[in-house]
Amino acid sequence: EVQLLESGGGLIQPGGSLRLSCEASGFSFTNYAMNWVRQAPGKGLEWVSYISGSGSDTFYAESVKGRFTISRDNSKNTVFLQLSTLRAEDTAVFYCAKASNYGYSFDAWGQGTLVTVSS
Amino acid sequence: DIQMTQSPSSLSASVGDRVTIYCQASESITTYLNWYQQKPGKAPQLLIHAASTLPSGVPGRFRGSGSGTDFTLTINNVQPEDVATYFCQQSYTSPRVYTFGQGTRLEIK
Repeated sequence: EVQLLESGGGLIQPGGSLRLSCEASGFSFTNYAMNWVRQAPGKGLEWVSYISGSGSDTFYAESVKGRFTISRDNSKNTVFLQLSTLRAEDTAVFYCAKASNYGYSFDAWGQGTLVTVSS
Repeated sequence: DIQMTQSPSSLSASVGDRVTIYCQASESITTYLNWYQQKPGKAPQLLIHAASTLPSGVPGRFRGSGSGTDFTLTINNVQPEDVATYFCQQSYTSPRVYTFGQGTRLEIK
């Protein structure tokens, strides 16, 4: 069974930094791209970032480019999202999501971790 | 960038009804269209991929159709457990960009 477990969320002041983690199990982690998707309170889903299985390719939404960094440690089956220069509008539940075989859909999601940016 | 527009934003149905949710892309995405179901307080789940393919375990009362710019999600014989928000997503420009629609909330009368 595929499982994704996020951690690292919390309350952080504007301008601060935070690192989110997502530990995966139940599939061959290295063979699959991973994504982060966020959802502001009461709002819709926003794709944030993508990383290929090897980690060599990364992509970001324009809204976070230059502030967020995605990475992965395939020896630990874990994907990370480093959040920097946080703003109030970054407040959201952050989900990690496993890409399907060819990366065209997200076929497994974690339960999410809440990031609250507030002074 | 490709924009995704869903309609309606919310709808109410009785158990046993058929409901249809629409998703329109701002330009052709062929069949690179996915649907996700998010039940209250839960993470989203993949409901349909490639416009019309149901993953294993998804009930057959869900049906996706469309290509190009216009897509529909149809739920036949709506059940109480279908209360959720439904999101479409284009993956035509993946992995550079994925775009979600704004969501459609389904409630039961």
